[in-house]
Amino acid sequence: EAGVTQFPSHSVIEKGQTVTLRCDPISGHDNLYWYRRVMGKEIKFLLHFVKESKQDESGMPNNRFLAERTGGTYSTLKVQPAELEDSGVYFCASSQVSWSYEQYFGPGTRLTVT
Amino acid sequence: AQSVTQLGSHVSVSEGALVLLRCNYSSSVPPYLFWYVQYPNQGLQLLLKYTTGATLVKGINGFEAEFKKSETSFHLTKPSAHMSDAAEYFCAVSDQWSGGSNYKLTFGKGTLLTVNP
Repeated sequence: EAGVTQFPSHSVIEKGQTVTLRCDPISGHDNLYWYRRVMGKEIKFLLHFVKESKQDESGMPNNRFLAERTGGTYSTLKVQPAELEDSGVYFCASSQVSWSYEQYFGPGTRLTVT
Repeated sequence: AQSVTQLGSHVSVSEGALVLLRCNYSSSVPPYLFWYVQYPNQGLQLLLKYTTGATLVKGINGFEAEFKKSETSFHLTKPSAHMSDAAEYFCAVSDQWSGGSNYKLTFGKGTLLTVNP
């Protein structure tokens, strides 16, 4: 069984540009989470999808961040326009409905905004 | 609001020595507790979890943790460290009463474990 995959693994962009991160959850996992770790800080929750519906966006920093999960499969997280403080590692995690608390994480996307 | 405190951002032990990584949490409701490990250039891997029942939980690679409600702690231990245990370890808490299937995690800042030969 394939794990959670994320693309790209690294992205370096300039301030003001747009970046889109992608997450493919484990097949059959309806729950999908995005988290972010800014350097030196703890990993923080961004948002939670159940299938294609956003259930909790309480961790999204501001309206420059837009997450989608079309068709309830893969998800994208777009940052537009990127700012320096957006740099960090973005993790995606997924879980089944029946064992919702057991989340499986992807390897993360390291985003650097210069 | 929930919070997690990991004492020691960096712990160094000798190979064969006891590993003890400390975690204290704050939660207004009964928590689910987790330890995750991140090896270099990899994602987070679940080491072990406490949901309900037995307070001493065993995980992968010989690790275990004990939930102590009175101390609000969930310390991670391993009797004998191996070189392959070198990684960053994260303690996390989830509110089991979040409602629905939202078990968003609140993490500690992580502890980097170094194992010396």
